[in-house]
Amino acid sequence: NAGVTQTPKFQVLKTGQSMTLQCAQDMNHNSMYWYRQDPGMGLRLIYYSASEGTTDKGEVPNGYNVSRLNKREFSLRLESAAPSQTSVYFCASRKNQGRSYEQYFGPGTRLTVT
Amino acid sequence: GQQLNQSPQSMFIQEGEDVSMNCTSSSIFNTWLWYKQEPGEGPVLLIALYKAGELTSNGRLTAQFGITRKDSFLNISASIPSDVGIYFCAGSGGTSYGKLTFGQGTILTVHP
Repeated sequence: NAGVTQTPKFQVLKTGQSMTLQCAQDMNHNSMYWYRQDPGMGLRLIYYSASEGTTDKGEVPNGYNVSRLNKREFSLRLESAAPSQTSVYFCASRKNQGRSYEQYFGPGTRLTVT
Repeated sequence: GQQLNQSPQSMFIQEGEDVSMNCTSSSIFNTWLWYKQEPGEGPVLLIALYKAGELTSNGRLTAQFGITRKDSFLNISASIPSDVGIYFCAGSGGTSYGKLTFGQGTILTVHP
């Protein structure tokens, strides 16, 4: 099992450009999440998908959109990138079984917006 | 919203020393998780705690779910150089979508 995979690993964008970050999991998990990580601020939730076909906003959704393409894949789109979106982006998944709140993370996408 | 305070922010220790770090919350949590993140990688789950007072070990790591349900502790015994990384606590209040609130992280440096 590869677990949670993310592409690309690195990306540099100019202000105003758009891009989609891809995430896939092979653990048959129901819930998927997108976080951003900035120095000294821990991980902040951007969007989540509790199950296939549903998506909801997290703490910091402005400037982002998401698509839960199927149970395996959850993408994050930046329509018009801004320097404030320079960050490391992590995708995570969770099984939704019983009382388990354990989330499993991908390796991250390092995005720089100039 | 919920906030987690994680301390210390950083630690510089000698190989072989024991390490302690903790997280405190302004709200009650039903679940506490501890993650480790190495440079250039995503966070990896170390220990999950589900019951107030619970003490759980994973090798040289031991974590405790505080009795008040507003805090958690992580101890690392006999540190080694590969313990280097950022350690995050995360808590969940039991929402249906499994939202986690993360601490700011403790940066651990181990000198050989």
